[in-house]
Amino acid sequence: GQNIDQPTEMTATEGAIVQINCTYQTSGFNGLFWYQQHAGEAPTFLSYNVLDGLEEKGRFSSFLSRSKGYSYLLLKELQMKDSASYLCAVSLSGNTPLVFGKGTRLSVIA
Amino acid sequence: EAGVVQSPRYKIIEKKQPVAFWCNPISGHNTLYWYLQNLGQGPELLIRYENEEAVDDSQLPKDRFSAERLKGVDSTLKIQPAELGDSAVYLCASSRNGGETQYFGPGTRLLVL
Repeated sequence: GQNIDQPTEMTATEGAIVQINCTYQTSGFNGLFWYQQHAGEAPTFLSYNVLDGLEEKGRFSSFLSRSKGYSYLLLKELQMKDSASYLCAVSLSGNTPLVFGKGTRLSVIA
Repeated sequence: EAGVVQSPRYKIIEKKQPVAFWCNPISGHNTLYWYLQNLGQGPELLIRYENEEAVDDSQLPKDRFSAERLKGVDSTLKIQPAELGDSAVYLCASSRNGGETQYFGPGTRLLVL
């Protein structure tokens, strides 16, 4: 089976930095996605990593280590609107759907 | 560019009743996905279409669920009859081709009483 683990909940302070980790054990790997999902809304695409290293996009960065089966999403200068669930998803091959983790619910407090 | 459109946004039905959900993917996207998302869980794939062909429906409970994507654009997902355990959010997503970034619709929140 496919296994994707991420913390269930995290809390961080407005203006701070938070790192959300994701570890995976899957039968294949063709890339890792991060999605943001506000309560009652659709997941929205944040980032995609296929090679090892850090991808930076504004306040959000995503890191991947394929050898360790590990990724993290880094959120800087946290804002209240960043309170949401963050979903880690693995693409097993170039032609298969994503396998999602259960998501990490982030609460940003003042 | 318009996003993925789904309707209805909310549906409340009694158990054993039928229900249908509709999805219009992003224009030009050949691949369409239906996912089920329970509270506090990540989305789980029900069925994937490449154009009008269902290429992965292994997770679709075929005794009560059915789907179609006639003409390879819009899609409908049907449940008949609905059970209490079907209460969840049904998400539709599309991508230009299989394996590429998926874009999600707002989902249909189903409550079966």
